[in-house]
Amino acid sequence: EADIYQTPRYLVIGTGKKITLECSQTMGHDKMYWYQQDPGMELHLIHYSYGVNSTEKGDLSSESTVSRIRTEHFPLTLESARPSHTSQYLCASSEYSERATQYFGPGTRLTVL
Amino acid sequence: GDSVTQMEGPVTLSEEAFLTINCTYTATGYPSLFWYVQYPGEGLQLLLKATKADDKGSNKGFEATYRKETTSFHLEKGSVQVSDSAVYFCALSGGRMTGNNRKLIWGLGTSLAVNP
Repeated sequence: EADIYQTPRYLVIGTGKKITLECSQTMGHDKMYWYQQDPGMELHLIHYSYGVNSTEKGDLSSESTVSRIRTEHFPLTLESARPSHTSQYLCASSEYSERATQYFGPGTRLTVL
Repeated sequence: GDSVTQMEGPVTLSEEAFLTINCTYTATGYPSLFWYVQYPGEGLQLLLKATKADDKGSNKGFEATYRKETTSFHLEKGSVQVSDSAVYFCALSGGRMTGNNRKLIWGLGTSLAVNP
């Protein structure tokens, strides 16, 4: 059973606000990921991390930033939210192997008004 | 580069019908192949996987066989239930093009609706 948590599950916020989406895992996984999911379902990798103090941008350019100060924690921050940031954000983690299964959190549905 | 192509949805079936969702891939090397499922309002979860040619992954009545000769990993279930209504994603990792980044390459997802 995967133990990966995201908070909040739903967030409605006004334009210009700073937000942080939380993601934590208790499996000791080295790798963590943030995906943005379109309403049409397609998944876009926006950030990933190999381990503590490692962060990389993903395939889709994003105005968000991430940090990895602790193995279990991988928060995503938007300094100034805009309506174009409205989306579902999914966090995942995996062991270091390139063939490892990714385990997903339940997601945060963000709406920026 | 490596890629995954899966059939477009939505797929609508009656309960107890046979399900096939096609997935084909392009990759160099010897990738691992995965099917993930996303139930409404939830994150994705691994449904099954196969790590080498001719392997069959199976779980919850779903099956998929890694066919290197046809570069396919089609998902099948003999008798679907209403509770199988979800979005299904095919993915690959470990191909030569993805190896260094250790990322999954995702299909676009196929929505399945099963009616009682």
